[in-house]
Amino acid sequence: AQKVTQAQTEISVVEKEDVTLDCVYETRDTTYYLFWYKQPPSGELVFLIRRNSFDEQNEISGRYSWNFQKSTSSFNFTITASQVVDSAVYFCALSDATDQTGANNLFFGTGTRLTVIP
Amino acid sequence: SAVISQKPSRDICQRGTSLTIQCQVDSQVTMMFWYRQQPGQSLTLIATANQGSEATYESGFVIDKFPISRPNLTFSTLTVSNMSPEDSSIYLCSVGSGGTYEQYFGPGTRLTVT
Repeated sequence: AQKVTQAQTEISVVEKEDVTLDCVYETRDTTYYLFWYKQPPSGELVFLIRRNSFDEQNEISGRYSWNFQKSTSSFNFTITASQVVDSAVYFCALSDATDQTGANNLFFGTGTRLTVIP
Repeated sequence: SAVISQKPSRDICQRGTSLTIQCQVDSQVTMMFWYRQQPGQSLTLIATANQGSEATYESGFVIDKFPISRPNLTFSTLTVSNMSPEDSSIYLCSVGSGGTYEQYFGPGTRLTVT
C-alpha cells in the first residue's frame, strides 16, 4: 500500500532563510510518480513538480529545488531565500503508474504548514 | 496544464439536503478524480470517474452518498447527499493528463453544513 509521511507539521522561518520540507514515501510499485503541491491560504492546490521513479536527478526551478533519493525513499523540497509569499501548506503526494490511460489517484501526505516571518 | 473550474465555489447548506458540485475542464481528459479535504486535513480521494463507465469509489465512500456523473470528457458532477455537519469540507476535482501523469486541481468547493 502507498503511504506518504510528512513528519513536519509546521515550520516557521524568517524571511530569506532556506527551508527544507521532508517527504518519505512507501510503495511496492517499481514505477511511480512523486508530486509536490502548494496550498496557499486561498485554498487552491498549485502543482509544483512531478518526478518519476526512474529519474533520480535533482531538479532546480528558481528558488525551489527537489532532492529525490530512492535509497531512502525520500523526496525533499528546499526553498532557498524564503519569502513571505511562500507561506502555505505544502503537500507531498505519490501516484502509482500502472494505468496506461493517464494519471492515477494521488496519495497525499498530511502536509507541512510553512510560515515565513517578515 | 488544464484549466479547471468548479461551481459553486462555496455554499452553506442545511442538514439533510443535497448539493451537486460541477467540474468543467477546458480540454478533453480521460480520468477525473474527486477529492475531499476536511478542515485542516489532507486530501482524500473519494472516487475516480472515467467517461462512459461507473465511477470507482475508494474505501469509506459509497455511491448512495456521493453519486457522480461523467457525461462527457470535459465535465463531471459530484453530489453530496443527505448532508450532515461532518460533510463540511472542501471538495476538489482533479484531472490527469493522458500519458504524462501530471495532475491538476480545480479551485475547490467549500461546503459548510449547518
